[in-house]
Amino acid sequence: KAGVTQTPRYLIKTRGQQVTLSCSPISGHRSVSWYQQTPGQGLQFLFEYFSETQRNKGNFPGRFSGRQFSNSRSEMNVSTLELGDSALYLCASSPAGTSFNEQFFGPGTRLTVL
Amino acid sequence: AQRVTQPEKLLSVFKGAPVELKCNYSYSGSPELFWYVQYSRQRLQLLLRHISRESIKGFTADLNKGETSFHLKKPFAQEEDSAMYYCALSVSNSGGYQKVTFGTGTKLQVIP
Repeated sequence: KAGVTQTPRYLIKTRGQQVTLSCSPISGHRSVSWYQQTPGQGLQFLFEYFSETQRNKGNFPGRFSGRQFSNSRSEMNVSTLELGDSALYLCASSPAGTSFNEQFFGPGTRLTVL
Repeated sequence: AQRVTQPEKLLSVFKGAPVELKCNYSYSGSPELFWYVQYSRQRLQLLLRHISRESIKGFTADLNKGETSFHLKKPFAQEEDSAMYYCALSVSNSGGYQKVTFGTGTKLQVIP
């Protein structure tokens, strides 16, 4: 099976702009989670979607939002970008999103905010 | 709220020496614990999970509920073990849905 794919791989934006990142899960996986990875904080959970519904959410401001489509593909949007949003954004998919499921990660989108 | 602590940012060991990567967690319920690994220029991937009680690439991890720890161990380090290691805690919310909390990671450097 093809792995999790994320587009674009790299992105440069300026403060105040908005950005949309895309994630295509492994075929058959219905759960998609998003994480922000930074050197100091490690991986921080943003949110998880299953069957187009957000089931879990991390402690991020409302500027971070997402959605999932009927084909399980997911998008993440960040509005009013801040310098601190510069990070690697990882998407992970799993079959059903239960606690014992392994997560399969994409390569990430590197976002730089200038 | 759940939390995962990996106290060491960097752990350097010589080839052939034992390795122990520490992980402590805080969670009042029954946790599902994982170790993920990220080799240079590769994706983050699962190394092992406590529910499987398996040994992968010579690594083992035992869940100690009394000490709330899930340390990763290997008796003899190899150069190819050099990577970033993340401990992760997965819990289900009231709806039974998964939320994964990762530690900040430990970089393992195996010196030839």
